[in-house]
Amino acid sequence: AQSVTQLGSHVSVSEGALVLLRCNYSSSVPPYLFWYVQYPNQGLQLLLKYTSAATLVKGINGFEAEFKKSETSFHLTKPSAHMSDAAEYFCAVSARNTGGFKTIFGAGTRLFVKA
Amino acid sequence: GAVVSQHPSRVICKSGTSVKIECRSLDFQATTMFWYRQFPKQSLMLMATSNEGSKATYEQGVEKDKFLINHASLTLSTLTVTSAHPEDSSFYICSAWTSGDQETQYFGPGTRLLVL
Repeated sequence: AQSVTQLGSHVSVSEGALVLLRCNYSSSVPPYLFWYVQYPNQGLQLLLKYTSAATLVKGINGFEAEFKKSETSFHLTKPSAHMSDAAEYFCAVSARNTGGFKTIFGAGTRLFVKA
Repeated sequence: GAVVSQHPSRVICKSGTSVKIECRSLDFQATTMFWYRQFPKQSLMLMATSNEGSKATYEQGVEKDKFLINHASLTLSTLTVTSAHPEDSSFYICSAWTSGDQETQYFGPGTRLLVL
């Protein structure tokens, strides 16, 4: 079984400031970890994924995340926020079970970017 | 690259009617697909795992008789919301995994259901 917790349902940053969105996970087997972004009334867009290769994962739009097994964390960062980054962000954990990979999503963090 | 499509993208129906949503993997075969539901301002909740050629596996609390899933081929899974009610109004999203060395999950664009 797996679970994921996103700390902070809302995060507000100024344009140009560091973005840090927190995600902790639990999984009984080695997990795959993902960050997705969702804009209003749209589907999911994959930002980046960790699949047991490099622990520092670079994604699209300047985002990156670091897998830390000892802390069971996969926090998402971006050095400098842009107004267009305002959206809902979901951390997700996937683990293989008898039916294939099963993905569980965190509750989501809404990012606000102030001018 | 691999794509997952859903049809329709949006549907409005009257209370008591049934609605079928299709999920297709366009250029890969998917023995397993997943159905999620997302209520406004909430996260995606896994409803069920759709298995080609066998019964779907439902998550706890999801009514199997309410949400009928059929995975008749390696590229198509359907979700039928039977006797829909306003509380079933939601955003339904499917996903499928490709297989091989680079297993990757692809999500459909979602279907917005509004039950009047």
